[in-house]
Amino acid sequence: DGGITQSPKYLFRKEGQNVTLSCEQNLNHDAMYWYRQDPGQGLRLIYYSQIVNDFQKGDIAEGYSVSREKKESFPLTVTSAQKNPTAFYLCASSIDGEAEQYFGPGTRLTVT
Amino acid sequence: AQSVTQPDIHITVSEGASLELRCNYSYGATPYLFWYVQSPGQGLQLLLKYFSGDTLVQGIKGFEAEFKRSQSSFNLRKPSVHWSDAAEYFCAVDAGSGGSNYKLTFGKGTLLTVNP
Repeated sequence: DGGITQSPKYLFRKEGQNVTLSCEQNLNHDAMYWYRQDPGQGLRLIYYSQIVNDFQKGDIAEGYSVSREKKESFPLTVTSAQKNPTAFYLCASSIDGEAEQYFGPGTRLTVT
Repeated sequence: AQSVTQPDIHITVSEGASLELRCNYSYGATPYLFWYVQSPGQGLQLLLKYFSGDTLVQGIKGFEAEFKRSQSSFNLRKPSVHWSDAAEYFCAVDAGSGGSNYKLTFGKGTLLTVNP
């Protein structure tokens, strides 16, 4: 079945550590996105990528980094510079030229 | 900047009752509009979308939405709610960066509780 995989579902880290969240898709979509979700805040865009080896900052990119070395993969690194990293992180993808986005199941990151 | 407002943070309805979730947007041109649903701890699932044409759009799970340009609204409706509809609902608007570069702006969501 085609879809988006995010792993792990739950992730725990100590403050000061970098952590990388995985996002893989087998939909052959060109565009991929990372969102952060906090209670009552909706979804906020962190980074997005329209094509391999290229990505742009979203609305809240500070403290995060991404790479897009393969079409299928768009990992997100939450660095120690991110002041409030505890959140639910959602990855999405879309066909190039289309606005509709498909979402993965999410990763809940807890930093203590 | 584009914005999306969902005025109701939490709505409670009885099973079998009708439902309307409100969504207002701020956008200069005719937007692309979406409604997504999220069950607790899960990703988002697309319910329906509006790009152009007929202003009443049908989606999955018996939902529909009506685009009203004059009111800058895209309200979601369902004639008879089922207990399984309890979830959080998000309205989203394409931020329209131009060309094939699409970015969605999301509302803050409406949490739906369904009483038996």
